[in-house]
Amino acid sequence: DTEVTQTPKHLVMGMTNKKSLKCEQHMGHRAMYWYKQKAKKPPELMFVYSYEKLSINESVPSRFSPECPNSSLLNLHLHALQPEDSALYLCASSRPGGTDYGYTFGSGTRLTVV
Amino acid sequence: TQLLEQSPQFLSIQEGENLTVYCNSSSVFSSLQWYRQEPGEGPVLLVTVVTGGEVKKLKRLTFQFGDARKDSSLHITAAQPGDTGLYLCAGAEVGNNNDMRFGAGTRLTVKP
Repeated sequence: DTEVTQTPKHLVMGMTNKKSLKCEQHMGHRAMYWYKQKAKKPPELMFVYSYEKLSINESVPSRFSPECPNSSLLNLHLHALQPEDSALYLCASSRPGGTDYGYTFGSGTRLTVV
Repeated sequence: TQLLEQSPQFLSIQEGENLTVYCNSSSVFSSLQWYRQEPGEGPVLLVTVVTGGEVKKLKRLTFQFGDARKDSSLHITAAQPGDTGLYLCAGAEVGNNNDMRFGAGTRLTVKP
């Protein structure tokens, strides 16, 4: 299995809702990542987990809360989002020290905040 | 200021033409990656270059890593409409593994 699976593919949520994005991989990768991509822009790093511990938080607002329950799963909990948070949210995984091996990305969750 | 500067930002060419995309930085990288992204999908890894001066070929695509490990290029020979997409370079500075940043991307259109 060489895939990163993200669910749901599309999500529409109100500004008072609580929702979660899910990401799963079974490649034995011990580093997992959340990126945010706005239209016509490159992906921007949000969070990095290495061996299930949060190692990088790129000053992301607290309305985004990551969680890594085990080495195969990565969640992103969303609460009280703003319309400007609408974007494609991408999950990726890699071996630790991953940039030398490249990342495997999921297809993303297209999030719309109304 | 972007860590990685990509050029050109947009490129529209006819089928059969050659093209080169550049990725430059003032920082040194342990490695650089090139990805291709289709609309509504995640980036797909094309290649990782690790050694300064390294050249890698993937069919009609040739990737080069600069001697000083600060820059890279992607050359496509005889472009085809199927090459159309967003090409992104990415890398992490030496000592910041797992902190991978993307260039702004080159949006390539190959017309039949």
